[in-house]
Formats: sequence, structure tokens, C-alpha cells
Amino acid sequence: DAKTTQPNSMESNEEEPVHLPCNHSTISGTDYIHWYRQLPSQGPEYVIHGLTSNVNNRMASLAIAEDRKSSTLILHRATLRDAAVYYCILIETGANSKLTFGKGITLSVRP
Amino acid sequence: GAVVSQHPSWVICKSGTSVKIECRSLDFQATTMFWYRQFPKQSLMLMATSNEGSKATYEQGVEKDKFLINHASLTLSTLTVTSAHPEDSSFYICSARGGLLAKNIQYFGAGTRLSVL
Repeated sequence: DAKTTQPNSMESNEEEPVHLPCNHSTISGTDYIHWYRQLPSQGPEYVIHGLTSNVNNRMASLAIAEDRKSSTLILHRATLRDAAVYYCILIETGANSKLTFGKGITLSVRP
Repeated sequence: GAVVSQHPSWVICKSGTSVKIECRSLDFQATTMFWYRQFPKQSLMLMATSNEGSKATYEQGVEKDKFLINHASLTLSTLTVTSAHPEDSSFYICSARGGLLAKNIQYFGAGTRLSVL
């Protein structure tokens, strides 16, 4: 699977938008961009995924660059419960596909 | 979203004993299940992948005789840590994928914290 690069950490203020960047310059045409997050002492939680177009759901928005070499996860109003490690992962869709986790980005939210 | 239940959430055992961890998909049929391990301050490491009714495929470096995986039904997978030792102490997390609800997405259990004394 192609590799992603994320900053180690980011801080935000409560109730402000947060933009979490991810670089994936070696992405292939069949790679989907998935975002998961992991709260302390819990299993990862699916956040959002996309292929080429921007995506929105109740948790977040995913903005994908036109060349697909980068993407940004957008939390529109950060809450204290959004403090977590966020993982940007590339994965091909298929029976043999599996999530491989990198270090992720640790998001801290200030009250 | 789909729900994956993992049990127990934590377990303490003596060195040399075996521990079984259960993973259930509650509202979808999991054609594929995954087992991960996570040490403190580290990311998740995939241990093995299993398809219902088939033998698990283990990642390089994971001992299949030590970490027994059974995926006997479309809603249940188990991981048995045999002859556990203190170095096996870790956070074990299962994940499941399958069905219309979870076709392209892996859903995760809450994890099991294993402490081997």
C-alpha cells in the first residue's frame, strides 16, 4: 500500500474548525483515502473515506486535492471529545485489502 | 455504523496460561476479520487476517501456533493467546468487514487489554 505522511501533532481550540493534512504523493488510481481516529484506550473508529471527490458526513468532511496527492480532514467545530489520534490510510478496495496504520496525527483540543 | 463487540475488555492472567478473546459483528456478516496488537505509545500492528471458514493468514513475524485464530462463523472470530508470557501483554483489537453495511470499511472492537503476570 502507498505511504501517507502526517504531522505528528496538532492543537486546536474548542468550537473552532480543524484541518488535518495528509500527504500521499505515491497514491495509485485505485487507492481510496480512509480516515480513522482512535480515542485513548479504545479501538479505532471509522471517520470518512473518499476516492476523488470531496466527501461530507455527520462527523467530518474530506477534501481531496485534484491530483489526489494530498487530502485534508476537516472537523467543522472541534469538541473536547475529538481529541484523538487521526490516521490517514490508503487502501485498495478488494477482498484482500487491509488497513495498515502509520503513526497518525495526535489532535489536542483546548477548552 | 456497524457494531463490533469484543470481549473481555481486559484480562489478567498468569504466565503460562492461555487466554481467549472473542470478537463479534452484531449487525452484519463479517466475511473478513482482522486482529491487531498495539503496544503503549505505538500504532496498531496487524497480526492476522481471517476469512470465514478458512485458515487465518498471519503477518510476518507473528507466531501462528502462539496466536490461534478461529473464524468459525460470519459473526464470530476468536483469538487465543497460548502459553502467555509477560511480553504478550498488550492491547488486542479486532476488526471486521463485510456485508452491505460494512463492505468497504473496517469496523473495530473496543479492544482487550491483556496483562500477563
